[in-house]
Amino acid sequence: GQQVMQIPQYQHVQEGEDFTTYCNSSTTLSNIQWYKQRPGGHPVFLIQLVKSGEVKKQKRLTFQFGEAKKNSSLHITATQTTDVGTYFCAGTGPSQKLVFGQGTRLTINP
Amino acid sequence: EPEVTQTPSHQVTQMGQEVILRCVPISNHLYFYWYRQILGQKVEFLVSFYNNEISEKSEIFDDQFSVERPDGSNFTLKIRSTKLEDSAMYFCASRRFVSDRRNTIYFGEGSWLTVV
Repeated sequence: GQQVMQIPQYQHVQEGEDFTTYCNSSTTLSNIQWYKQRPGGHPVFLIQLVKSGEVKKQKRLTFQFGEAKKNSSLHITATQTTDVGTYFCAGTGPSQKLVFGQGTRLTINP
Repeated sequence: EPEVTQTPSHQVTQMGQEVILRCVPISNHLYFYWYRQILGQKVEFLVSFYNNEISEKSEIFDDQFSVERPDGSNFTLKIRSTKLEDSAMYFCASRRFVSDRRNTIYFGEGSWLTVV
């Protein structure tokens, strides 16, 4: 079945450093979504990418969707303590279900 | 902003007992989902529901699980005979459009189930 792999599992950075998480699907995706989950919270939708090679920015966050629509990345520039949480990618493949990656847990040293 | 609401927020139940988790999806949404997240792990798909029937389910969603949309607004997940390993956060989610170009899924805040 469809699998979505995400690395790294954990990332600890100093405040102000950049952060990147990578997502790879076993199948071609129709779209990919990114979510942020704070400890004890629920996944909160950040963005959806649909087109091959698409790049979207939200302030310090840059999201990319690969040309083959099988991989994606989220890059945060100059992290702040409010960026702490677990970032999940989730892809929609041939079926309509959303399959989540394992998530990257970001912790930040102030 | 419209939201998916779930009740209860936390339930403790004894092993073997039946549990019903309730969800009210966003009112004009057509697709409904249940996901679960065991503590510290990823969010796992359980089941999707469209047009009053299950459209897809995962291996986790065995005969102990069932879903229902009893009254056109609520969407419930029933676990018939809970096991210890059912302890998890259960998320309900909904999506408006069927076409995959408008595929944003909105999650509820979750129901934390503890089986003892």
